[in-house]
Amino acid sequence: QVQLVESGGGVVQPGRSLTLSCAASGISFPTSGMHWVRQSPGKGPEWVAVIWHDKTKKYYADSVKGRFTISRDNSENTLYLQMNSLRVEDTAVYYCAKDGPNWGRDLAYWGQGILVAVSS
Amino acid sequence: QTVVTQEPSFSVSPGGTVTLTCGLDSGSVSTNNYPSWYRQTPGQAPRTLIYSTNTRSSGVPDRFSGSIVGNRAALIITGAQADDESDYYCLLYMSPGILLFGGGTRLTVL
Repeated sequence: QVQLVESGGGVVQPGRSLTLSCAASGISFPTSGMHWVRQSPGKGPEWVAVIWHDKTKKYYADSVKGRFTISRDNSENTLYLQMNSLRVEDTAVYYCAKDGPNWGRDLAYWGQGILVAVSS
Repeated sequence: QTVVTQEPSFSVSPGGTVTLTCGLDSGSVSTNNYPSWYRQTPGQAPRTLIYSTNTRSSGVPDRFSGSIVGNRAALIITGAQADDESDYYCLLYMSPGILLFGGGTRLTVL
């Protein structure tokens, strides 16, 4: 079955960096677009970024543009999110998600999420 | 800044039918927004229910359906069951690199 397992979360100080990973299995990762979505405590989800299966396209939410970088290693079936210049408002559970059938327009499967807490 | 709107809460009786909607603060929702729907119970990851307005994700029972009603996307749940109690979120595609979630609807079955 589909498994998306996030790792790399934790507590970090404002201004510091953190890199999240998402290990995928049960899907054809090299042919799948992948997303990151986050959810702050008590709030609804917020879409963060998407990367095309072949890395040719990457898009970011305005709230993270210039600070976060999405990348992938198709040989390792792994998705990454490098987060720089972290802010308190980046505190959230971060989910990786497999792209739906509409090329970056929806989400098919979600990981279980990983908590990132930005605090001094 | 476009805002996606959903009813904050809704209540349905067991066995009843409920329609949750998803709109835009300015403009209409159409199939070009590729409306999709997700449900989430406390402490769990969201799960995909509907994509492309009205296509059920794998394993989703046919009690769940989607459509466009007027100028809003809709999630219709028929034969509501106790374990349908969840938060329901819609997602709209606005343009490449702009995907917006609604604020969610908390559904109570009682």
